[in-house]
Amino acid sequence: GESVGLHLPTLSVQEGDNSIINCAYSNSASDYFIWYKQESGKGPQFIIDIRSNMDKRQGQRVTVLLNKTVKHLSLQIAATQPGDSAVYFCAEKWQGGKLIFGQGTELSVKP
Amino acid sequence: DTEVTQTPKHLVMGMTNKKSLKCEQHMGHRAMYWYKQKAKKPPELMFVYSYEKLSINESVPSRFSPECPNSSLLNLHLHALQPEDSALYLCASSQDPAPGGANVLTFGAGSRLTVL
Repeated sequence: GESVGLHLPTLSVQEGDNSIINCAYSNSASDYFIWYKQESGKGPQFIIDIRSNMDKRQGQRVTVLLNKTVKHLSLQIAATQPGDSAVYFCAEKWQGGKLIFGQGTELSVKP
Repeated sequence: DTEVTQTPKHLVMGMTNKKSLKCEQHMGHRAMYWYKQKAKKPPELMFVYSYEKLSINESVPSRFSPECPNSSLLNLHLHALQPEDSALYLCASSQDPAPGGANVLTFGAGSRLTVL
């Protein structure tokens, strides 16, 4: 299940299940979005991106969905594995090239 | 080479010290970035260099001073820091921050700074 509160939102899933991580972005003028994965002790690592003229993009085991009407992004991970455990951030590109990160969700995969 | 290298990995400094964080990339990227990240929080943008010129300063206190000696190197000079400046400092680079374009940032592993 998913919990949101004073701490980083956490999503706990069983190995092999699909995961859906959600993100609300703030700037309706943002034209480009990225999902990053950050493991403990490492920098953020690129997963997948999407331009604002698209509403869906698929990668290997990952899909990003963009709903501009409600300023919402989601990341779907198929057949989640223990190695997917990490914090996931969405990021939006503002004018001038600024990449601004959302709050993040911690994904915990139970074997 | 598809990496961004940051040194040192860990740094402990007193409030009166002067130190520097260093970042290097050899991907031919023309934009470089400093982000600050506190525990359990998202990275916060500090500075952007585009074609070796400072293009964005997110109202960062002057005790943080960025420098871009050439297109491959980015430094962050630290002076008279406060304990609340303790954080992970992330460097990133991207090909070109042109408006309307894709802008995938490649991040280093970060420098973990502790200010005593």
